[in-house]
Amino acid sequence: EPEVTQTPSHQVTQMGQEVILRCVPISNHLYFYWYRQILGQKVEFLVSFYNNEISEKSEIFDDQFSVERPDGSNFTLKIRSTKLEDSAMYFCASLLIAAPSEQYFGPGTRLTVT
Amino acid sequence: AQSVAQPEDQVNVAEGNPLTVKCTYSVSGNPYLFWYVQYPNRGLQFLLKYITGDNLVKGSYGFEAEFNKSQTSFHLKKPSALVSDSALYFCAVRLTGFQKLVFGTGTRLLVSP
Repeated sequence: EPEVTQTPSHQVTQMGQEVILRCVPISNHLYFYWYRQILGQKVEFLVSFYNNEISEKSEIFDDQFSVERPDGSNFTLKIRSTKLEDSAMYFCASLLIAAPSEQYFGPGTRLTVT
Repeated sequence: AQSVAQPEDQVNVAEGNPLTVKCTYSVSGNPYLFWYVQYPNRGLQFLLKYITGDNLVKGSYGFEAEFNKSQTSFHLKKPSALVSDSALYFCAVRLTGFQKLVFGTGTRLLVSP
């Protein structure tokens, strides 16, 4: 069964550094998402991406965050200057069509900012 | 604003007994409702969804959920729990015309042998 993959599984970085989290969505999916889950808290939506542009974003997704689909397979989340409070599990998800289908989630990248 | 409430942080049940994990929602339109499960060190796995139609929906691993519009609830159920069902369960809602899922805080299910 096709699945969403994410790399790395764990990233440790120092405050102020840039990080790029990578995702490979399911190959024929058209909609892509990033969510995050701070330890012990609920999963929160960050951004959705369709047709090479952001279609929806949350208030968390400020100017420090950006997303890109640099080629036909990867979908990346960049955090320009990490803060301690960016430490979380980041999940990528993809969706085939906009109709009420379920989003498929990757295993997550645990980001630790020290 | 949309919101989802999972009133129980943890549910304990003995293997073989029925289980219920509660979820209520608050939205201004017609919701799409989802249940996801998260095993340790794994991503979120889709269990089932309600879009329209029959209020009782069946999903993976023997789980089902009942949509109750008057009570704005979407409780997850299983007639006979397995130890392997122990995991973190998330209820989520999505409004028509919007992309994002709004998640509840999650309920940890512990099934004892």
